[in-house]
Amino acid sequence: QAVLTQPSSLSASPGASASLTCTLRSGINVGTYTIYWYQQKPGSPPQYLLRYKSDSDKQQDSGVPSRFSGSKDASANAGILLISGLQFEDEADYYCMIWHSSAVTFGGGTKLTVL
Amino acid sequence: EVQLVQSGADEKKAGQSLKISCKGSGYIFSKYWIGWVRQLPGKGLEWMGIIYPDDSQTKYSPSFQGQATMSVDKSISTAYLQWNSLKASDTAMYYCARVIGFFHLSSVGFDSWGQGTLVTVSS
Repeated sequence: QAVLTQPSSLSASPGASASLTCTLRSGINVGTYTIYWYQQKPGSPPQYLLRYKSDSDKQQDSGVPSRFSGSKDASANAGILLISGLQFEDEADYYCMIWHSSAVTFGGGTKLTVL
Repeated sequence: EVQLVQSGADEKKAGQSLKISCKGSGYIFSKYWIGWVRQLPGKGLEWMGIIYPDDSQTKYSPSFQGQATMSVDKSISTAYLQWNSLKASDTAMYYCARVIGFFHLSSVGFDSWGQGTLVTVSS
């Protein structure tokens, strides 16, 4: 079982909200980790969006719209990237990442389609 | 402004060697770990390893240990990734990225990325 699991795809309408999940493998407690989120558009490198550990320990990269926010669902053992007020330009691949067992681990990525 | 500028695309034949580069600017290069990430065509991100420019300490992903070698020349703020004998399966986009965070707090990520170097290996 992968350390981080993301749904492979998600579709949502312009103006709606999209909740992208990053589920940690059983036995790895989401509360312990800071989750980093990246956006990647075709032909471009990944871009850092934000990191989230808790409401008191989080950071948004400069220039990232406040429509992007992070949270956790402890009951689901998952990190969440919430994108509100979806715009066509938000269509991209989104990756989560943690530092676990002295290694970087990426989720498989979620392709977000805005239609 | 933090910038990482990578060397240009390269095409090689299987068995050949290759060294790609990543030059940092806009910050104290020697004081931030640099990571390397592979992206196979149409696939997700894979972590290869990280290197600390100040003392060349490295941490490799077990999946990439022995496959490619990271190095750094801090005098010119440049990190390198090299292969001694390329394989067709090494065909991919390679990114360097600056590491932020704290290892002991399980809070480590990448905040700035290079533009990527496309490596194409023919058999």
